[in-house]
Amino acid sequence: DAGVTQSPTHLIKTRGQQVTLRCSPKSGHDTVSWYQQALGQGPQFIFQYYEEEERQRGNFPDRFSGHQFPNYSSELNVNALLLGDSALYLCASSPPRFRSYNEQFFGPGTRLTVL
Amino acid sequence: AQSVTQPDIHITVSEGASLELRCNYSYGATPYLFWYVQSPGQGLQLLLKYFSGDTLVQGIKGFEAEFKRSQSSFNLRKPSVHWSDAAEYFCAVDGDYKLSFGAGTTVTVRA
Repeated sequence: DAGVTQSPTHLIKTRGQQVTLRCSPKSGHDTVSWYQQALGQGPQFIFQYYEEEERQRGNFPDRFSGHQFPNYSSELNVNALLLGDSALYLCASSPPRFRSYNEQFFGPGTRLTVL
Repeated sequence: AQSVTQPDIHITVSEGASLELRCNYSYGATPYLFWYVQSPGQGLQLLLKYFSGDTLVQGIKGFEAEFKRSQSSFNLRKPSVHWSDAAEYFCAVDGDYKLSFGAGTTVTVRA
């Protein structure tokens, strides 16, 4: 059973560019959450997708947007990149609420560097 | 709004010695609490979780944690540390299906 997968592993962009990160949830999971982890800090919640809609959002600007597809995979898009967007972006998936508590399983992350 | 405080930024412990990592949380309702471990360049691995019931929970790799509601704490312990336990440890609280993490504690294990 594959766990949560993310692509790409690493990415280098320049300021002002746009980036798309991808996540495939663990088999049987229908909810995907995205977190940003800056160097030396704990992960910060960006948003969560369920049934192809954004269900919750953290304190991130509109430059951060997402999408969930019918197969439950998800994308994180960041527009107009800033140097401060350099971070490890983590995707987490969780099972349907009726099955169990919403325990989140994390992927290995995508390391984004903005120059 | 929920929040987590991990008072210790860095802890150094000798191999074979015991380890305790502190975590204090703030949350209005009954909290769901977690400890995750992160090795350099890796994602987060769940060590253990508390939902309800017994306040002493057992996790993987020989870790345990104790929930103390009166102190708003959820400290992580391990009786005997192995060199492979060197990593970053994060405490998290779940509020409405989103996790809030502490800043983390870096554990260094010396021979």
